[in-house]
Amino acid sequence: NAGVTQTPKFRVLKTGQSMTLLCAQDMNHEYMYWYRQDPGMGLRLIHYSVGEGTTAKGEVPDGYNVSRLKKQNFLLGLESAAPSQTSVYFCASSWGSRQPQHFGDGTRLSIL
Amino acid sequence: GESVGLHLPTLSVQEGDNSIINCAYSNSASDYFIWYKQESGKGPQFIIDIRSNMDKRQGQRVTVLLNKTVKHLSLQIAATQPGDSAVYFCAENSSGGSYIPTFGRGTSLIVHP
Repeated sequence: NAGVTQTPKFRVLKTGQSMTLLCAQDMNHEYMYWYRQDPGMGLRLIHYSVGEGTTAKGEVPDGYNVSRLKKQNFLLGLESAAPSQTSVYFCASSWGSRQPQHFGDGTRLSIL
Repeated sequence: GESVGLHLPTLSVQEGDNSIINCAYSNSASDYFIWYKQESGKGPQFIIDIRSNMDKRQGQRVTVLLNKTVKHLSLQIAATQPGDSAVYFCAENSSGGSYIPTFGRGTSLIVHP
């Protein structure tokens, strides 16, 4: 049972490049979330989804887009990467909003 | 305990001691609370949760206490072990249809052998 799997684990981009971070969960969870974590800042919610085909903005959505075409996958896109987006990105999933979240091990993204 | 700022609060304890990590929240509508543990290089991991109709809940070596009057949550770890060294986050969610839990900034627990 893999839980939540994030791909890739590490990536270095140049300013202006685009990329997609992949998140897959095998627990049949309805809710999925993307967070970024910066030193001393805790977790900040970027976007989330309450079911297949739905997405919503979180606390810091600017510069990111998401898609939830399949229930088990939640994709995070950076259209034009900026150095301010250097961070560790975590994906999580849960049965509902008032249930514990299960997290992946993160994607470490550096933008030069 | 949790606080605003760029540096994480740190709690240093000796192996075998009991640890208490505190968390304050501000939303009086919060009624679901979770503690997570994050080890270096890993994602947060669920430890224990509590709903507002309870004021105490126990797990294996951990106890969560909820004081709704002063909006305070604590995580107690009994007989702390080196493997407990990590950053601990509290998170809260409120009634009213919000899908977004609010995370605290975290407390770093360092256990000395």
